[in-house]
Amino acid sequence: NAGVTQTPKFRILKIGQSMTLQCTQDMNHNYMYWYRQDPGMGLKLIYYSVGAGITDKGEVPNGYNVSRSTTEDFPLRLELAAPSQTSVYFCASRDRTLDGYTFGSGTRLTVV
Amino acid sequence: QQQVKQSPQSLIVQKGGIPIINCAYENTAFDYFPWYQQFPGKGPALLIAIRPDVSEKKEGRFTISFNKSAKQFSLHIMDSQPGDSATYFCAASIGNQFYFGTGTSLTVIP
Repeated sequence: NAGVTQTPKFRILKIGQSMTLQCTQDMNHNYMYWYRQDPGMGLKLIYYSVGAGITDKGEVPNGYNVSRSTTEDFPLRLELAAPSQTSVYFCASRDRTLDGYTFGSGTRLTVV
Repeated sequence: QQQVKQSPQSLIVQKGGIPIINCAYENTAFDYFPWYQQFPGKGPALLIAIRPDVSEKKEGRFTISFNKSAKQFSLHIMDSQPGDSATYFCAASIGNQFYFGTGTSLTVIP
């Protein structure tokens, strides 16, 4: 049982480049989330999804896009990378009947 | 604007001590208050959680104390061990959205 899998684990981008952070869960969870974690700032919600085909903005959505074509996958897209997007990104999922999240192991992104 | 305020930022205790981490919130609509534990290079993992209809919850060496009137809740770690050294996050949720505290880095010295 893999849980929530994120790829890649590390990435360095140049300013203006684009990339997609992948997130897959095998628990058939309805809800999926993307957070960014910055030192001393805790976790900030970027986007979330309550099911396939449904996405919504969180606290800090600017500069990001998401899609949810299947229950399992919830990719996060950065179109024009900026230094302010240097962070650690966590994907999480939960079942609608349960309260707690299951987090992936994170993607450390540096924009230079 | 931080929805959940957490303190202290860091904490060092001796093995066997009882570290206490505090969180405060303003939104009385929050209905679920979890604590997460995060080791370096890993994602946060759910440790223990409480709902506002109870004042205390214990799971093993971890206890949440909840004060609804003060809008505060805290995590106590009994008989702390070096393996408890990690970053701890409190959170509060309403509907589908969770709001996290800024984290407390705990070091337990052998």
